[in-house]
Amino acid sequence: EPEVTQTPSHQVTQMGQEVILRCVPISNHLYFYWYRQILGQKVEFLVSFYNNEISEKSEIFDDQFSVERPDGSNFTLKIRSTKLEDSAMYFCASSGGQGRTQETQYFGPGTRLLVL
Amino acid sequence: LAKTTQPISMDSYEGQEVNITCSHNNIATNDYITWYQQFPSQGPRFIIQGYKTKVTNEVASLFIPADRKSSTLSLPRVSLSDTAVYYCLLRSSNDYKLSFGAGTTVTVRA
Repeated sequence: EPEVTQTPSHQVTQMGQEVILRCVPISNHLYFYWYRQILGQKVEFLVSFYNNEISEKSEIFDDQFSVERPDGSNFTLKIRSTKLEDSAMYFCASSGGQGRTQETQYFGPGTRLLVL
Repeated sequence: LAKTTQPISMDSYEGQEVNITCSHNNIATNDYITWYQQFPSQGPRFIIQGYKTKVTNEVASLFIPADRKSSTLSLPRVSLSDTAVYYCLLRSSNDYKLSFGAGTTVTVRA
């Protein structure tokens, strides 16, 4: 069964540093998402991406965040200047085509980011 | 964001049925309600999805009343491996934003 993969599984960084989290969505999917989950809290939507542009973003997704699909397979989340409160698990997800909630989103295993 | 309410936790025993309700007063008119399961240190996994009335698949049933202000996930005959956090996911009618509910931790005991 195809699956979403994410790298790295864990990343530790210093406050103020830039990090790039990588995801390989399922190959024939067209919608891509990033979510984050702070330890012990619920999953929070960050951004969705379709046709090489952001289709939707939450209030959390401010100017320090950016997303990119640099090639035909990778989907990245960049945090420009990390803060302590960015420490969380970051999940990538993808869905087939229309991006509406009736589409099943397939989640990756996550990247655990720790900002010191 | 959608204002959703789920019970924080539920305890059950193997073989019992577990019903988890998500209340969502401001759900977007044309969007579906989806339920996900999450194990520790893993990404959420799709369980079931519906728009109205009842949907059943091989693992669960989903009941949605006509006003769509709530939905109930039903897990029949749970086993120890069903111990997880269960989330509803939907879109708000106010700002049309996607949001997960706070999650319900289901603990199944032998």
